[in-house]
Amino acid sequence: DAKTTQPTSMDCAEGRAANLPCNHSTISGNEYVYWYRQIHSQGPQYIIHGLKNNETNEMASLIITEDRKSSTLILPHATLRDTAVYYCIALTTDSWGKLQFGAGTQVVVTP
Amino acid sequence: DAGVIQSPRHEVTEMGQEVTLRCKPISGHNSLFWYRQTMMRGLELLIYFNNNVPIDDSGMPEDRFSAKMPNASFSTLKIQPSEPRDSAVYFCASRPGTPNTEAFFGQGTRLTVV
Repeated sequence: DAKTTQPTSMDCAEGRAANLPCNHSTISGNEYVYWYRQIHSQGPQYIIHGLKNNETNEMASLIITEDRKSSTLILPHATLRDTAVYYCIALTTDSWGKLQFGAGTQVVVTP
Repeated sequence: DAGVIQSPRHEVTEMGQEVTLRCKPISGHNSLFWYRQTMMRGLELLIYFNNNVPIDDSGMPEDRFSAKMPNASFSTLKIQPSEPRDSAVYFCASRPGTPNTEAFFGQGTRLTVV
């Protein structure tokens, strides 16, 4: 699975949109981009995933560039409960769903 | 559904003792994963099962670690003998067998070996 690169940390003001970038320049055509987050002391939680089209659900939006070499996770109205480590993972359909976590981005939402 | 259930939530044991961590996946899920998380190494995949069969255990650190899945509703991760460096949070996750579905994680077991 392709390696992903994320900033180590970022801050966001409560109520504002949080835009989390992820680079995956070596991603292959059959690799999906998955986002998970881990709130302190809890198990990772699925957020969203996509292949090449932009995706939106009740938690977030995922914007994937046309060349698929990067993507952005958007939390539209960040709350204090969104403070967590966010992981971007590239995953093929036939990889048995085994997630390989990197260091992720520590997001701190401030009042 | 109650989600993925792990037990115990916390375990403190002495070096050299056997430790068994337990996981009940979500009913109907075909795949099960064991992860370990430490400050130094982050989240590491130890082993995963599909339809109760171990598919890849290359992440298991040593022979002291073993995992079983005797049926679709139960899995164990055993460490024998335990060592202080095994102290970590161990997570279990499960997912349906259909492609492109998300994994669901348990709350983890915090293991401390003294």
